Amino acid sequence: GAGVSQSPSNKVTEKGKDVELRCDPISGHTALYWYRQSLGQGLEFLIYFQGNSAPDKSGLPSDRFSAERTGGSVSTLTIQRTQQEDSAVYLCASRITGLAGPSQETQYFGPGTRLLVL
Amino acid sequence: QKEVEQDPGPLSVPEGAIVSLNCTYSNSAFQYFMWYRQYSRKGPELLMYTYSSGNKEDGRFTAQVDKSSKYISLFIRDSQPSDSATYLCAMSADSSASKIIFGSGTRLSIRP
Repeated sequence: GAGVSQSPSNKVTEKGKDVELRCDPISGHTALYWYRQSLGQGLEFLIYFQGNSAPDKSGLPSDRFSAERTGGSVSTLTIQRTQQEDSAVYLCASRITGLAGPSQETQYFGPGTRLLVL
Repeated sequence: QKEVEQDPGPLSVPEGAIVSLNCTYSNSAFQYFMWYRQYSRKGPELLMYTYSSGNKEDGRFTAQVDKSSKYISLFIRDSQPSDSATYLCAMSADSSASKIIFGSGTRLSIRP
């Protein structure tokens, strides 16, 4: 399909282990976002990539969280030394930019990775 | 205080009823307002997008923005069981939308 894909769909890990979450955005979308959604909570912004600009990392909750985007396409969110409070759904979204009008605002979300830290 | 407040519900209404979902916000700089629908175990999808104050209608859905009251609403007419989902309001201050603030979502259930 042509949508945003994320892998794995589910991840169970032990406290203290590192995890990597992957996002494949829609081809041609220059903007990419990572969000975290905890049970009963809204989407918490984590990080934003736009083209070749420096990413906006202002939402990362601690230095255990990092993300990179290689070649302006695939992105990986890494959580080191996972804690139980990291358990959540991690959502990736991509957006096309450079267009005028409301279509510029449309973020297309992937299905998310459900992370459970035991 | 959160920048965007949304009643989490759950909200349960019979099929055919009119549904009203609401959000309040505190940042007067917000100009772009969105409603997303999220089905269980899926990512959110954009439902409605409005700029500044006013109404926007799309089929059974109407979005209202009252910037003077910092209050936005989504109305669903002739609600259907397929409308059962979590609805998230979202807003941003600039058109580049580098940072969008989401509400916590309202869980809606339409009873057949």
